Amino acid sequence: DMKVTQMPRYLIKRMGENVLLECGQDMSHETMYWYRQDPGLGLQLIYISYDVDSNSEGDIPKGYRVSRKKREHFSLILDSAKTNQTSVYFCASSFRDREHEQYFGPGTRLTVL
Amino acid sequence: GEQVEQRPPHLSVREGDSAVIICTYTDPNSYYFFWYKQEPGAGLQLLMKVFSSTEINEGQGFTVLLNKKDKQLSLNLTAAHPGDSAVYFCAVSAQTGGLSGKLTFGEGTQVTVIS
Repeated sequence: DMKVTQMPRYLIKRMGENVLLECGQDMSHETMYWYRQDPGLGLQLIYISYDVDSNSEGDIPKGYRVSRKKREHFSLILDSAKTNQTSVYFCASSFRDREHEQYFGPGTRLTVL
Repeated sequence: GEQVEQRPPHLSVREGDSAVIICTYTDPNSYYFFWYKQEPGAGLQLLMKVFSSTEINEGQGFTVLLNKKDKQLSLNLTAAHPGDSAVYFCAVSAQTGGLSGKLTFGEGTQVTVIS
């Protein structure tokens, strides 16, 4: 069953706290992505990972970092969360030679108070 | 870089009627075009893809048209039914670029089908 999973699905944090969002995929995809979705803005790419320990910044990397120690897992970390990082975060994955075909997880709704 | 404008942001359509969502993109090197459907509380589900070499693609209950001259991509919902109520996103990707496969998304269209 091809699937991208995200944990947790909902998270409430206070400003200044650390946040860890986790993503997993069972399709042996080399490439994984983190996006955030805000009303009226579509999806914006935060980071892209081409494989284990091979990560690149997307369009809006400031305030975020990522970790990919296993091909099937990709983590998004917010060190000292800010209120403007309240958003819905989506993870996606794809094959390296079909990066235009991405499969999305169900999303994590993060609220930073 | 690529910019994608999607209209309208909201769309109400009666069951059985048709509706059109249009995306306008800027990069003439755009090659891959996608429509995604997002149901409440769920992630994006790939609905349809069109490559630059084709200009029309049909699925169950909808048609995707690509007008390369005007740099427009459209999703035509035909005979809308309640299950079509969702947010629809277009996405565009160039064939080459610094970030291979980078998708640029439209802002989304909330479609509500009224019975």
